[in-house]
Amino acid sequence: GNSVTQMEGPVTLSEEAFLTINCTYTATGYPSLFWYVQYPGEGLQLLLKATKADDKGSNKGFEATYRKETTSFHLEKGSVQVSDSAVYFCALSEKGGYNKLIFGAGTRLAVHP
Amino acid sequence: EAGVTQFPSHSVIEKGQTVTLRCDPISGHDNLYWYRRVMGKEIKFLLHFVKESKQDESGMPNNRFLAERTGGTYSTLKVQPAELEDSGVYFCASSRTGLHQPQHFGDGTRLSIL
Repeated sequence: GNSVTQMEGPVTLSEEAFLTINCTYTATGYPSLFWYVQYPGEGLQLLLKATKADDKGSNKGFEATYRKETTSFHLEKGSVQVSDSAVYFCALSEKGGYNKLIFGAGTRLAVHP
Repeated sequence: EAGVTQFPSHSVIEKGQTVTLRCDPISGHDNLYWYRRVMGKEIKFLLHFVKESKQDESGMPNNRFLAERTGGTYSTLKVQPAELEDSGVYFCASSRTGLHQPQHFGDGTRLSIL
């Protein structure tokens, strides 16, 4: 079945460091791909998305590119801030993006001053 | 617009008791989803409503879980009787119908079974 695998955390970085959180997926057809973020004490928020191969999603300085050849959707940010500390979830949606989401296990990011 | 609202935010009950979780989706969103995250693992899909109809309930773990969405507005998820392994965070999400419409999540209900 379809699945999402993301790197285990926690990831601990200093402020202004470069961030990469790896995400790979297994899916039939052409899923949509998402990154969701959960800040402490809050619910999940959509961070960015990509709906077809080679699309780049971006938001708040974060980017991820839909790579069909490597079945990956790695999350990157050039310079993290303390306020980016959160749990990040990679997810895919079958059938074009309005059906159920399949999530990875989540990666906790801690950014220190 | 108001976001997805879930109630209660936290519930602590004893094994064998009944608990009902509620979700109010964003107004106008026909799609409503329930998910749960158990013990820090991945978030797993439970079921999907389109208006008042169950579109997909393939993720419901067993018949102790009952979800309803009468009138196609808010939804309830009842666990009866609760077991220890039901502990976790239950998320609700809603979306408009259409291609690539994102799902908007509530803050979740943390359910603790003692």
